[in-house]
Amino acid sequence: DGGITQSPKYLFRKEGQNVTLSCEQNLNHDAMYWYRQDPGQGLRLIYYSQIVNDFQKGDIAEGYSVSREKKESFPLTVTSAQKNPTAFYLCASGGLADEQYFGPGTRLTVT
Amino acid sequence: GENVEQHPSTLSVQEGDSAVIKCTYSDSASNYFPWYKQELGKRPQLIIDIRSNVGEKKDQRIAVTLNKTAKHFSLHITETQPEDSAVYFCAASIDTGTASKLTFGTGTRLQVTL
Repeated sequence: DGGITQSPKYLFRKEGQNVTLSCEQNLNHDAMYWYRQDPGQGLRLIYYSQIVNDFQKGDIAEGYSVSREKKESFPLTVTSAQKNPTAFYLCASGGLADEQYFGPGTRLTVT
Repeated sequence: GENVEQHPSTLSVQEGDSAVIKCTYSDSASNYFPWYKQELGKRPQLIIDIRSNVGEKKDQRIAVTLNKTAKHFSLHITETQPEDSAVYFCAASIDTGTASKLTFGTGTRLQVTL
């Protein structure tokens, strides 16, 4: 899991601003994922991508957007349309055997 | 879609005792069941997983059992140690051969006391 990086670790934004979270992996994994974690809850899938230039909505995609222009990178944009953006955001990547490995996460606070 | 329920939400055991965390899932097509450990403020770490073609898997003090008929699976930690204290998440997915959409339980906070 050391091959997955997310930046920044902490991010603060004003309400109404879009913000982009970075996720990079050097594990040569085809699949990448974005999850959201709220206190006392499990992880919920926002978007996932199986291959470059292709991605699918997860369970809570509203208010978020992604791109997958390179195999190594899968940035997530939290738009102003997301009603409750404050959360811990986790990126993951996985190979063909289903295992998913997580990055260190970005804690986003919107005030 | 898939729904995963996890119990208990909190669990306190004495050092050296065993801990058991249980999960149930709703979609009978699910065939991959990982367990993650998350320490405070850190990333979830995959600790063990099981696929539907086996009923039990062990790795040192950790074991996972799967009952496909009843659609439930459990994590067993023996000889617990203080460093086992963390939040544990179960998950389930359907192996599509490409990306796997994991559905997570809500987590169990395990506290190992001295």
